[in-house]
Amino acid sequence: DAGVIQSPRHEVTEMGQEVTLRCKPISGHDYLFWYRQTMMRGLELLIYFNNNVPIDDSGMPEDRFSAKMPNASFSTLKIQPSEPRDSAVYFCASSLQGSGNSPLHFGNGTRLTVT
Amino acid sequence: GDSVTQMEGPVTLSEEAFLTINCTYTATGYPSLFWYVQYPGEGLQLLLKATKADDKGSNKGFEATYRKETTSFHLEKGSVQVSDSAVYFCALSGPIQGAQKLVFGQGTRLTINP
Repeated sequence: DAGVIQSPRHEVTEMGQEVTLRCKPISGHDYLFWYRQTMMRGLELLIYFNNNVPIDDSGMPEDRFSAKMPNASFSTLKIQPSEPRDSAVYFCASSLQGSGNSPLHFGNGTRLTVT
Repeated sequence: GDSVTQMEGPVTLSEEAFLTINCTYTATGYPSLFWYVQYPGEGLQLLLKATKADDKGSNKGFEATYRKETTSFHLEKGSVQVSDSAVYFCALSGPIQGAQKLVFGQGTRLTINP
């Protein structure tokens, strides 16, 4: 089992540029989650999908953020345009069932720096 | 809304010391409770969980007991090792938030010195 795979591991970009983060969940997992981790706010749930359908995007900070899951093995989180305050570590996680019933499996994260 | 409060870190201990990391929660109804651990450069991974009052979760020498009367889920280990150095997160999932949405505490950084 390869685990949740995220790419890139590090991304440095300039303010105003588009950023796309990628995630491959564990095969067979029905749920996929995007989290953001910062020192100030800790771990925040941005959005989650069930069977490729977005269920709750109430944590997405603003319209500059969008997420898609075109199939069961791939998801993207896009920021356009990026701003310095978007600098954070972004985690993708997947689970077999809802996170209360089966554990979340996290990827190693993408560290985003916006200058 | 539901929330989790953890003991502020960082916590620094010597090897073989006893560890307690406090966690209290506020939730409507009866949540499930979790401890996740994050090693440097990695994502979080589940350490242990408890789904109802008086349940004890345990793994790798760590334990935590679901205490409904004190709304607590403190993490303990009798003898810590250098390899336990990590950030520890307490979390809950509740009937209001939905089982799919974990609410995390702010994390407690633990450093174990040899």
